[in-house]
Amino acid sequence: AQKVTQAQTEISVVEKEDVTLDCVYETRDTTYYLFWYKQPPSGELVFLIRRNSFDEQNEISGRYSWNFQKSTSSFNFTITASQVVDSAVYFCALSTPYGGSQGNLIFGKGTKLSVKP
Amino acid sequence: DGGITQSPKYLFRKEGQNVTLSCEQNLNHDAMYWYRQDPGQGLRLIYYSQIVNDFQKGDIAEGYSVSREKKESFPLTVTSAQKNPTAFYLCASSIDPSHTGELFFGEGSRLTVL
Repeated sequence: AQKVTQAQTEISVVEKEDVTLDCVYETRDTTYYLFWYKQPPSGELVFLIRRNSFDEQNEISGRYSWNFQKSTSSFNFTITASQVVDSAVYFCALSTPYGGSQGNLIFGKGTKLSVKP
Repeated sequence: DGGITQSPKYLFRKEGQNVTLSCEQNLNHDAMYWYRQDPGQGLRLIYYSQIVNDFQKGDIAEGYSVSREKKESFPLTVTSAQKNPTAFYLCASSIDPSHTGELFFGEGSRLTVL
């Protein structure tokens, strides 16, 4: 069965601190995709990144970076020098297009990040 | 601007009433989705459609119905058979119907049953 675990329910940091959001996934499929989405208070989810299971390279985009480690089934997300605008709920998600009950996107329960000035 | 438009943003319903949530997209995407979000929970898939005139049940389809008569539109009806309909509903679309692509989301509709 496919599963995504975001163990951190809520995190609170002060502006300019670095913060890492953890994501652990479970799947027996060898081909899969991992995602991170941001949900600001306005409600819509915003796509941040997609990684396929064959690409373990870490990625950096501005203050955001992602660490994908197949050995630990983790896809962690780090925000460097956090800002108040980073306050949101962040979701990690897993897609296994060739397996699973329907091949749909499985979301974790989300981590609520609060960045205080 | 291209995007997903959901309406209404807030909706109140009495028990026993059906309600329909609207979702329109002008992104020319083939695939559209409806998700339900409950407090402290991830998103759960209700229905999805990979092409016009076709749709599939997701993980929690009971008590819901959809139609896909036009590429741009994917309305969701919450029927009186849905036991606990109070939730935040999100519509999404994707250019890739295989569940592996980026999803574009609307701003959601919050349904409260009185």
